[in-house]
Amino acid sequence: RKEVEQDPGPFNVPEGATVAFNCTYSNSASQSFFWYRQDCRKEPKLLMSVYSSGNEDGRFTAQLNRASQYISLLIRDSKLSDSATYLCVVNRDSSYKLIFGSGTRLLVRP
Amino acid sequence: EAQVTQNPRYLITVTGKKLTVTCSQNMNHEYMSWYRQDPGLGLRQIYYSMNVEVTDKGDVPEGYKVSRKEKRNFPLILESPSPNQTSLYFCASSLFFGQPNYGYTFGSGTRLTVV
Repeated sequence: RKEVEQDPGPFNVPEGATVAFNCTYSNSASQSFFWYRQDCRKEPKLLMSVYSSGNEDGRFTAQLNRASQYISLLIRDSKLSDSATYLCVVNRDSSYKLIFGSGTRLLVRP
Repeated sequence: EAQVTQNPRYLITVTGKKLTVTCSQNMNHEYMSWYRQDPGLGLRQIYYSMNVEVTDKGDVPEGYKVSRKEKRNFPLILESPSPNQTSLYFCASSLFFGQPNYGYTFGSGTRLTVV
């Protein structure tokens, strides 16, 4: 079983739609959680950290469910520019070593 | 501009010919790391460095070497490249090893093909 699992997608949605991605992690001792965005053939960039109480940044909302060991990313009012691969990132057990999921691809169509 | 600079961006080489991919950051970051990215496998850590002269293996270190003689530079060395090292490589840095909430800053990537 992979340490961090994501649905590879692609999720194909129209502009303005709301879309949600989930990610599961295997190590219950993990403490740090992030979402990164990666455009095709480009470097990953930090989108947002995920906090226990959930957090929002504009159209993006991240949630953490420790009991079920998953994190989610909700994107509201999707824009064409949101088309990218979204990487779920979790630290390995209680260390600060980060483990990257394989990514979920999002395509937003006009 | 704060950045991580990798060179070269693209490289095609032959099996067994030693090569070095350079990585340099101008943010005075302590922590630096190398990843490779392959389809379906995500980013996998090769080596990391918590500070000058402090390096350690990641999840896939076989066939690679690194050094950290200066804070800003963290080159990745392939002594004898093989076709299974064909991949997209990223260098990343972070302010401190124990502060992941600062996030990683990644270089633009090096696409390596070994024939």
